[in-house]
Amino acid sequence: TQLLEQSPQFLSIQEGENLTVYCNSSSVFSSLQWYRQEPGEGPVLLVTVVTGGEVKKLKRLTFQFGDARKDSSLHITAAQPGDTGLYLCAGVRTNAGKSTFGDGTTLTVKP
Amino acid sequence: DVKVTQSSRYLVKRTGEKVFLECVQDMDHENMFWYRQDPGLGLRLIYFSYDVKMKEKGDIPEGYSVSREKKERFSLILESASTNQTSMYLCASSTEMNYGYTFGSGTRLTVV
Repeated sequence: TQLLEQSPQFLSIQEGENLTVYCNSSSVFSSLQWYRQEPGEGPVLLVTVVTGGEVKKLKRLTFQFGDARKDSSLHITAAQPGDTGLYLCAGVRTNAGKSTFGDGTTLTVKP
Repeated sequence: DVKVTQSSRYLVKRTGEKVFLECVQDMDHENMFWYRQDPGLGLRLIYFSYDVKMKEKGDIPEGYSVSREKKERFSLILESASTNQTSMYLCASSTEMNYGYTFGSGTRLTVV
């Protein structure tokens, strides 16, 4: 059983559309990170959220941490082809010492 | 700009060879990690290290070993490469765990 479930697994949309991807768990996390990975490259950290209910914005990307610190969402407004990539969430459980990764959402934004 | 550098982007090795994957970080991070990434299987942790000369097994350590003689360098060793070790290998480092990881660009290893 995957500790962090990401949905959807694949998403293909047109440029200009909005989208939301989800990261869910039954476990509580002390923090949660979102990464974007382009083909042939390593993941790049986008954001870290640490407080239940926290919302962070990065240009057209909005990240939310659930009140109970068990889930998170990533919302992209007016998606662009440059947003194409694999989006990974990762959580750190208290005293775990390492992150647990979800399997990712592969996003394709068509011009 | 902070950096994690992996020594090779692409490697092709023969079955049975001993393979060394090198990773260097310039951020004075205590924690370093080795993952492999395969389609449909996500990121799987092989080994990690919290300090020099210290190592911990991850989820899939079989067939691998690691070395951390200096704080900035974390090496992954495939003792006798096999075709099922063909994969994308990613090195990462971090300071405080809740701040997230900095990843290298990855090494695409093919074992023939």
